[in-house]
Amino acid sequence: EAQVTQNPRYLITVTGKKLTVTCSQNMNHEYMSWYRQDPGLGLRQIYYSMNVEVTDKGDVPEGYKVSRKEKRNFPLILESPSPNQTSLYFCASSFRTPGNSPLHFGNGTRLTVT
Amino acid sequence: EDQVTQSPEALRLQEGESSSLNCSYTVSGLRGLFWYRQDPGKGPEFLFTLYSAGEEKEKERLKATLTKKESFLHITAPKPEDSATYLCAVGLENNRLAFGKGNQVVVIP
Repeated sequence: EAQVTQNPRYLITVTGKKLTVTCSQNMNHEYMSWYRQDPGLGLRQIYYSMNVEVTDKGDVPEGYKVSRKEKRNFPLILESPSPNQTSLYFCASSFRTPGNSPLHFGNGTRLTVT
Repeated sequence: EDQVTQSPEALRLQEGESSSLNCSYTVSGLRGLFWYRQDPGKGPEFLFTLYSAGEEKEKERLKATLTKKESFLHITAPKPEDSATYLCAVGLENNRLAFGKGNQVVVIP
């Protein structure tokens, strides 16, 4: 089944404790992206990747890191999480650039930072 | 600045009561317009892509249309299972996507 898989689904952590959210897609998509979704603010892009070893900042990249060493994986790293990073996170992928082809989303990771 | 505005923010419908959701956009260049459906706690699910004014797409009780300034998602004779948040996204010339904040639809049996 074609899908984007994120793990974990739920994560509660404390301020400053490094964490990684994994994302994997099995559709051989070139483009991958991370979004956060907050009430009243909608979906905001954190980082994106056009292909292996190519990453770029989205609209809200501060406090996040990403890497794209393999085509299928695009982990999101929070080196020192803070409470304002409490949010619902989505990984997404598309065959081509997102302006031309639809995004496929994972089921989300709900992160709470205390 | 590229902007995507969805209205109404929230809508309550009786089962069978048809209605329309609006997505208006002000962007420098439109690549494509996308509609997604999002259920609570889940990732958005792709519904339609529209590329040019006058284009229409249909799927079951949903029909999406596009003009030069806006798109409509028409819901015909909705059922409770159509309750969801519907997201509109505009593909831009810089290969980015601009999302609206969504239309939250509740269909009452």
